Amino acid sequence: DGGITQSPKYLFRKEGQNVTLSCEQNLNHDAMYWYRQDPGQGLRLIYYSQIVNDFQKGDIAEGYSVSREKKESFPLTVTSAQKNPTAFYLCASTLGLRSGANVLTFGAGSRLTVL
Amino acid sequence: GQSLEQPSEVTAVEGAIVQINCTYQTSGFYGLSWYQQHDGGAPTFLSYNGLDGLEETGRFSSFLSRSDSYGYLLLQELQMKDSASYFCGLNSGYSTLTFGKGTMLLVSP
Repeated sequence: DGGITQSPKYLFRKEGQNVTLSCEQNLNHDAMYWYRQDPGQGLRLIYYSQIVNDFQKGDIAEGYSVSREKKESFPLTVTSAQKNPTAFYLCASTLGLRSGANVLTFGAGSRLTVL
Repeated sequence: GQSLEQPSEVTAVEGAIVQINCTYQTSGFYGLSWYQQHDGGAPTFLSYNGLDGLEETGRFSSFLSRSDSYGYLLLQELQMKDSASYFCGLNSGYSTLTFGKGTMLLVSP
């Protein structure tokens, strides 16, 4: 079955440590996204990528970094510069919103807790 | 920029009909989407409106009025399993989807 796999599902981190969240999709989608979800805040866009080797900042990119070396993979690194990293992180993909494909497929999420 | 407003919480009873409203502000518009998210789970796509009018998908319908920058999600014959958060998402043509803060729907017996 095609879909998006995020790992790990739960992650605990000490302050000052960088962590990388994995996102892999086998849907052959061009565009991939990272959203952060906090209680009462909805989904806020961190980074997105429309093609391999290209990505753009979203609304809350500070303290985060990404790479897109392969079409299937879009890992997110939460750096020590992110002041409040405890949150639920969701990865999503689509064929490409500009192409008229309007459905985002989401992964199951990664819950990061900073101790 | 883009912004969306939706109520934070709506309550209803099983079998009832409920409407979740969404108003938006944007400089460009491609369409308005609706997603459902159960607690701790992944959002899943429900419905999309690119043009004015009503789109029906089973018990769920979504409506759009571009002149009023307004849309709503209508859920009929409510079931307990419909208790979830519902997000409207704006495709403003910049290759990203901007979401509202979500509406928590509580369905009681």
